[in-house]
Amino acid sequence: DGGITQSPKYLFRKEGQNVTLSCEQNLNHDAMYWYRQDPGQGLRLIYYSQIVNDFQKGDIAEGYSVSREKKESFPLTVTSAQKNPTAFYLCASSGTGDSPLHFGNGTRLTVT
Amino acid sequence: KQEVTQIPAALSVPEGENLVLNCSFTDSAIYNLQWFRQDPGKGLTSLLLIQSSQREQTSGRLNASLDKSSGRSTLYIAASQPGDSATYLCAVRGGADGLTFGKGTHLIIQP
Repeated sequence: DGGITQSPKYLFRKEGQNVTLSCEQNLNHDAMYWYRQDPGQGLRLIYYSQIVNDFQKGDIAEGYSVSREKKESFPLTVTSAQKNPTAFYLCASSGTGDSPLHFGNGTRLTVT
Repeated sequence: KQEVTQIPAALSVPEGENLVLNCSFTDSAIYNLQWFRQDPGKGLTSLLLIQSSQREQTSGRLNASLDKSSGRSTLYIAASQPGDSATYLCAVRGGADGLTFGKGTHLIIQP
C-alpha cells in the first residue's frame, strides 16, 4: 500500500538535545511538507520541499532543519535552538500543482 | 497572507441531526480546498477535495461546497452518528507551499 510513514510515534528528549523525526513516502510524490500542531491551534508549516536537494522555509522554520537527499525521504531535525519543541509533528506529501496533500500519522515529541 | 477561519470552534449535537460546518478564507486565489478529519492523537484523514473550478463534492453522507469568490466553504454532514465525533479541519492550497489550515471545529455527536 502506498502511503506516508512517520517514525517514531512518540519521542521523548531532554532539553538541549537535537532530535530527528523521520518521514518516508512511497507515493512517488515530488513535494513534501512538515507541519507542527499545538493544542487548539491549526497546523503551521515548518519547511517544504518541491524537489530533491531543494527546500524552503515555512512560517515557523526557526530552530528546525531539514534535508531532501532522496525523493522518498524528508527528515526533520528539531534543534536545541527551538524554544518550545514539544508538539505534534505531521509530515505530508503531494504531487505537483493542484494535487491533494496526503498526511502521515504524526510524531508526538515531548521535551523535558 | 492567507487566513482561514472555521466557525464554530466547537459543536455538540444529538445523533441523527444534519449539521453544517463553516470555513472562510481571505484570499480567493486558491488551487483547491480540502476538508480533513482528525481523531484525538491521530494524523489527518482527507474527507473531500474541491478544486477551484468546482462548486461541490460529495462522499457518502458528506457534502462540501465552495464559493471561491466569497471565500467560503461549508461541510454538510447528514444524519450524524457518534462515530462522526472528531475535529474537522478546513485547508486551502494557494501555491507550492502546501496548505493553510483553519483551527478546526471540534464536533461531538451525542448518542
